[in-house]
Amino acid sequence: ETGVTQSPTHLIKTRGQQVTLRCSSQSGHNTVSWYQQALGQGPQFIFQYYREEENGRGNFPPRFSGLQFPNYSSELNVNALELDDSALYLCASSSRSTYNEQFFGPGTRLTVL
Amino acid sequence: KNEVEQSPQNLTAQEGEFITINCSYSVGISALHWLQQHPGGGIVSLFMLSSGKKKHGRLIATINIQEKHSSLHITASHPRDSAVYICAAPSGGGADGLTFGKGTHLIIQP
Repeated sequence: ETGVTQSPTHLIKTRGQQVTLRCSSQSGHNTVSWYQQALGQGPQFIFQYYREEENGRGNFPPRFSGLQFPNYSSELNVNALELDDSALYLCASSSRSTYNEQFFGPGTRLTVL
Repeated sequence: KNEVEQSPQNLTAQEGEFITINCSYSVGISALHWLQQHPGGGIVSLFMLSSGKKKHGRLIATINIQEKHSSLHITASHPRDSAVYICAAPSGGGADGLTFGKGTHLIIQP
C-alpha cells in the first residue's frame, strides 16, 4: 500500500505564471482534498474532489481549479499567480469524507517571485 | 462555518513532563482530527475521534462532544515529540473540507 505522494516538492514561479501541482492518493481512497498553508498559519481548505467531481470549495478565487482522474489522483492548477500564493500546498486523501481519517502528502512548496 | 481554536499557541517543557493541548470548536461535529506537523511540512494524522478517548503509545486524545472541546495529552514527553500539533474539524456549511486550528508549537527540552 503506497502513501500519498505529491509532485513537485519545490517550485519557483514568477507573478502572472500558471502552475500545476499533482497528488496521488493512497490506494483505495476516492476523495482528495487540497489545502494551502501560508508560512506560520494553519492549512486553509481549497477544495475537495470525490469521484472526479468537485465536492466542496473553500474561500478561494476561480483561478484555483482542480481535476481528479479515474485513478483518483488529482491536480491543482493556479492561474495568474500572485505573490500571496506562495505557500505549502498539501493534499490529503481519504475514503469519502472528512469524517474518515485523512492521509496527507508531504506537500509542494511554491514560491512566487 | 466551523471555527477552531487551540491553546496554547506555544509550549516549551522539560523532558518527562505531561503535556496538554486544548482545542475547541464552534459547530457540533461527529469527528475531530489531531495532526502532527514537523519542520519541513509533512503532516501526520495522529487521531480521529468522535467520542470518549483514544490512546496510541504516549499520546492520548479525548473529546467532549457536548462541550465542543478536545484535548491532546502527551505522557513522559521526549524531545522527539517537538512539533506543531494541530486539531481540525469538518468545516460544515457545505464545504466538505477541514477547518484547522492555528496549531500548538511544542518544544521539549532535554
